[in-house]
Amino acid sequence: SQELEQSPQSLIVQEGKNLTINCTSSKTLYGLYWYKQKYGEGLIFLMMLQKGGEEKSHEKITAKLDEKKQQSSLHITASQPSHAGIYLCGAAPTQGGSEKLVFGKGTKLTVNP
Amino acid sequence: KAGVTQTPRYLIKTRGQQVTLSCSPISGHRSVSWYQQTPGQGLQFLFEYFSETQRNKGNFPGRFSGRQFSNSRSEMNVSTLELGDSALYLCASSLAGQGWGYTFGSGTRLTVV
Repeated sequence: SQELEQSPQSLIVQEGKNLTINCTSSKTLYGLYWYKQKYGEGLIFLMMLQKGGEEKSHEKITAKLDEKKQQSSLHITASQPSHAGIYLCGAAPTQGGSEKLVFGKGTKLTVNP
Repeated sequence: KAGVTQTPRYLIKTRGQQVTLSCSPISGHRSVSWYQQTPGQGLQFLFEYFSETQRNKGNFPGRFSGRQFSNSRSEMNVSTLELGDSALYLCASSLAGQGWGYTFGSGTRLTVV
């Protein structure tokens, strides 16, 4: 079965610093989702990447998909306290169909003012 | 438009009891998935329903069941509750499942005592 490994598990940065979170899959990626979660709450959809080499940006967050490396990265520029939370990557195990999403264990981000 | 609505937000139940959780998807979304989130296991897929049919099921015991109604609202039921069932239960809705983007609700926090 597919597994997603996220690194680092936790990250503490000073406000204004850039940071990168990685998500590596044990199998071929057919779609990669990034979500953010505040403790004990639901997941907020950030971005969905479907094609190798695809890159998407929203405000100060950029995500890329490297199909060959079976990896995705999430980059935050000039971090703010509002970026704090748990970032989760989720992947579709197969192409098309109705397969479940498999999630990584998450990266906990703390941004100190 | 209204998001995914889960009720109740919090529940406390006693071991051996049963519980029913509800999820109302975004209007027009026909796919509803359920996930269990615990600190140790992370997010784990329970099952997915599309047009009242269960299309996929995760590796959970038969005590976990669900259903979807003609208006796409979904319920999940857990019978004979165990302490280990304490978790945040999240549902997500999508137009047609994988590849279309999933929107998550805020979750139901179930505590079994």
